[in-house]
Amino acid sequence: KNEVEQSPQNLTAQEGEFITINCSYSVGISALHWLQQHPGGGIVSLFMLSSGKKKHGRLIATINIQEKHSSLHITASHPRDSAVYICAVFTGANSKLTFGKGITLSVRP
Amino acid sequence: EPEVTQTPSHQVTQMGQEVILRCVPISNHLYFYWYRQILGQKVEFLVSFYNNEISEKSEIFDDQFSVERPDGSNFTLKIRSTKLEDSAMYFCASGGITGANVLTFGAGSRLTVL
Repeated sequence: KNEVEQSPQNLTAQEGEFITINCSYSVGISALHWLQQHPGGGIVSLFMLSSGKKKHGRLIATINIQEKHSSLHITASHPRDSAVYICAVFTGANSKLTFGKGITLSVRP
Repeated sequence: EPEVTQTPSHQVTQMGQEVILRCVPISNHLYFYWYRQILGQKVEFLVSFYNNEISEKSEIFDDQFSVERPDGSNFTLKIRSTKLEDSAMYFCASGGITGANVLTFGAGSRLTVL
């Protein structure tokens, strides 16, 4: 059974800070998603990774397949980045996503 | 940008009633999914659908649940006889022609069972 663990559980930051959110998983995967969920519930896919690193604006996502670990970094954080950040993994082609519990990020002005 | 559309955004129903949640996936996608999130809990997989049939389902997806793609555009989730514990946010997602791993999620349908 694949477990997806995220840390820290909750995170509060000051505007402008560099933020790192971590994700570990227990079995081999084919791909990993970083997702953002705002109050009100909609889910937005930020990144889909199977290796290496991706960057989009102020967001950077990295994955280390050997260590079964991924990180999401937010540079120059802003209050609008406040949301729940969820890590979810695919364990095979065309398979289901297994979700982590998500981390609630609050960025204070 | 193409999006996945879900209706209704919120439905309130009495226990025992049938509910149909509707999704319009992205038009050239081939893989379709339903997930749910009970308030305060993590998102859980319900079912995946490919080539007009269920490809995988979770233990949550019992005989009370069914899915259909009746007309080539809509993808529906039916709950035959709702229970209180079915109250949740239900998310539809679809996966692209390059593979199921690139997913787009709908905004969700909140179901409240009284």
